[in-house]
Amino acid sequence: LAKTTQPISMDSYEGQEVNITCSHNNIATNDYITWYQQFPSQGPRFIIQGYKTKVTNEVASLFIPADRKSSTLSLPRVSLSDTAVYYCLVGDKSDSSASKIIFGSGTRLSIRP
Amino acid sequence: SQTIHQWPATLVQPVGSPLSLECTVEGTSNPNLYWYRQAAGRGLQLLFYSIGIDQISSEVPQNLSASRPQDRQFILSSKKLLLSDSGFYLCAWASYRGQGVQAGANVLTFGAGSRLTVL
Repeated sequence: LAKTTQPISMDSYEGQEVNITCSHNNIATNDYITWYQQFPSQGPRFIIQGYKTKVTNEVASLFIPADRKSSTLSLPRVSLSDTAVYYCLVGDKSDSSASKIIFGSGTRLSIRP
Repeated sequence: SQTIHQWPATLVQPVGSPLSLECTVEGTSNPNLYWYRQAAGRGLQLLFYSIGIDQISSEVPQNLSASRPQDRQFILSSKKLLLSDSGFYLCAWASYRGQGVQAGANVLTFGAGSRLTVL
């Protein structure tokens, strides 16, 4: 499984756009990039998944450059409730090792009023 | 729709006592199932995962075990708890989400968690 690197923490303010970047230099051709959000005392929740270019849903956007060695999760107009830990994972379902899903340390995002 | 149930939600156990946490999934078949543990202020540690009945892979500690007696049931056990077993235990199942038939990556859906305090 490709290893990922994220900032340990980030701070922002309500109403701002927040971009969290994840590095995955060894991403394999068939790997997808998946982001999760975790609030205290809850399990992580799926946010978005993508393979290349841009993916957008009602929660966030995911930007993936052509070389796919990094990805950026973009949260538009954050609120206090977006304070959470965000995890970036890479993997491919068809890979025999894909069943073993390991989380890194994630990025602790703190939103201030 | 798929749902995942995990219980008990909270428990306090003395050191050396046994443990049993149960997880069941509804609305899907042949799921991959997972047990994670999260110590206070720490990241998620993968404990066990299972790709089918009686097919369980262990990532850690010897005093914990897992069983999958039925396709959608996953049980975490211990015969003798240690203080270091305290934490937030999360069960999850994996679903596929992506474009195309073969493409995509596993996506985890987590249960509500079980908070274990060992005294």
